[in-house]
Amino acid sequence: DGGITQSPKYLFRKEGQNVTLSCEQNLNHDAMYWYRQDPGQGLRLIYYSQIVNDFQKGDIAEGYSVSREKKESFPLTVTSAQKNPTAFYLCASSMTGNNSPLHFGNGTRLTVT
Amino acid sequence: GENVEQHPSTLSVQEGDSAVIKCTYSDSASNYFPWYKQELGKRPQLIIDIRSNVGEKKDQRIAVTLNKTAKHFSLHITETQPEDSAVYFCAGPYSGAGSYQLTFGKGTKLSVIP
Repeated sequence: DGGITQSPKYLFRKEGQNVTLSCEQNLNHDAMYWYRQDPGQGLRLIYYSQIVNDFQKGDIAEGYSVSREKKESFPLTVTSAQKNPTAFYLCASSMTGNNSPLHFGNGTRLTVT
Repeated sequence: GENVEQHPSTLSVQEGDSAVIKCTYSDSASNYFPWYKQELGKRPQLIIDIRSNVGEKKDQRIAVTLNKTAKHFSLHITETQPEDSAVYFCAGPYSGAGSYQLTFGKGTKLSVIP
């Protein structure tokens, strides 16, 4: 839907386990982003990548890791170091440069118990 | 980085009335201001955006106004309908260290009462 696919839609993990969220896009966008959404907190940027094999930390990168080996893919790993991993995770992509709107995936709701 | 503040956090209006959501930003170099609508359990979707070379943009029942001097921009929805009920986010661009990213407001939950 919309050219960006996130999977799975719901994900459950036990505390202490790493988990990887998938994000694939076929929009030929160079830039990709991961946001975390919590109630009343809006969208907070975790990591972003403007080009293959390069990525930068966002505002809340601690406890997360990413890779960008292919233009189409930007997986996010939630590590055991993330203190409060339960959240709704949104992946997005855009053309590079300023003034480019973001296109979002449908999100993955991660629950860690 | 950019700091975007959005008000109100919740807004209830009667069907047919207008709704206004306001955002302020801190970076005077910001030049692109999108608005996203997120329905319950769904992804945010761009509904309208404005660039700094214009003061107002309209698209049917929605409009966005920009005041660069005061550093605020607003979303206006006229003749509200129940399907307008959603969370609305504003965003401002942040360009730092040669990179580009959007900073989002915390959102406004709009409820349109039939």
